[in-house]
Amino acid sequence: AQSVAQPEDQVNVAEGNPLTVKCTYSVSGNPYLFWYVQYPNRGLQFLLKYITGDNLVKGSYGFEAEFNKSQTSFHLKKPSALVSDSALYFCAVSLYGQNFVFGPGTRLSVLP
Amino acid sequence: DTEVTQTPKHLVMGMTNKKSLKCEQHMGHRAMYWYKQKAKKPPELMFVYSYEKLSINESVPSRFSPECPNSSLLNLHLHALQPEDSALYLCASSQVTGPLGDEKLFFGSGTQLSVL
Repeated sequence: AQSVAQPEDQVNVAEGNPLTVKCTYSVSGNPYLFWYVQYPNRGLQFLLKYITGDNLVKGSYGFEAEFNKSQTSFHLKKPSALVSDSALYFCAVSLYGQNFVFGPGTRLSVLP
Repeated sequence: DTEVTQTPKHLVMGMTNKKSLKCEQHMGHRAMYWYKQKAKKPPELMFVYSYEKLSINESVPSRFSPECPNSSLLNLHLHALQPEDSALYLCASSQVTGPLGDEKLFFGSGTQLSVL
């Protein structure tokens, strides 16, 4: 069975500083990895995904994530945070032919 | 059109009521999903329809009854719910290019359900 961990419930960062939201996973195979963002009272929005190929994936709104197979991690990054990036971020993993498992979520607060 | 539209946005119902949640997409997606999300928790999968056929039921109680009348519409019929069923109910859709799992989900904004 696959599982996803997001070790930080909350991440605080100052506007303009780089941000990292961590994700580690446990699967018995080659995973598909995703990041979604959720703003208050809204559904989730897709940011980026890794299926295969280049370990550095670029996504929406200037976000990127790096797949590290040896560390089973897929951390979300952005070089310069904006106040408008404040939201709830979910990492998700799936295996070929199976459905997504979402991590518990990390609340990002970008302080002006 | 890249939207998934859910109605109503808010719903309050008693434990003896019957109500329905509706979801619509016009992106040509052939997989549609219902998720339940409690506050500050990740979404939990309830049902998946693929080509209008129910393909996954995650052991959801029978008081929740899904329906997919056509490729654009997905309903969730509610009957005799419990207060613990209060949550945000999210609909999502995706393309189907092969087995599930590698296509991104498009989510609606959800229906905030309160059961009194």
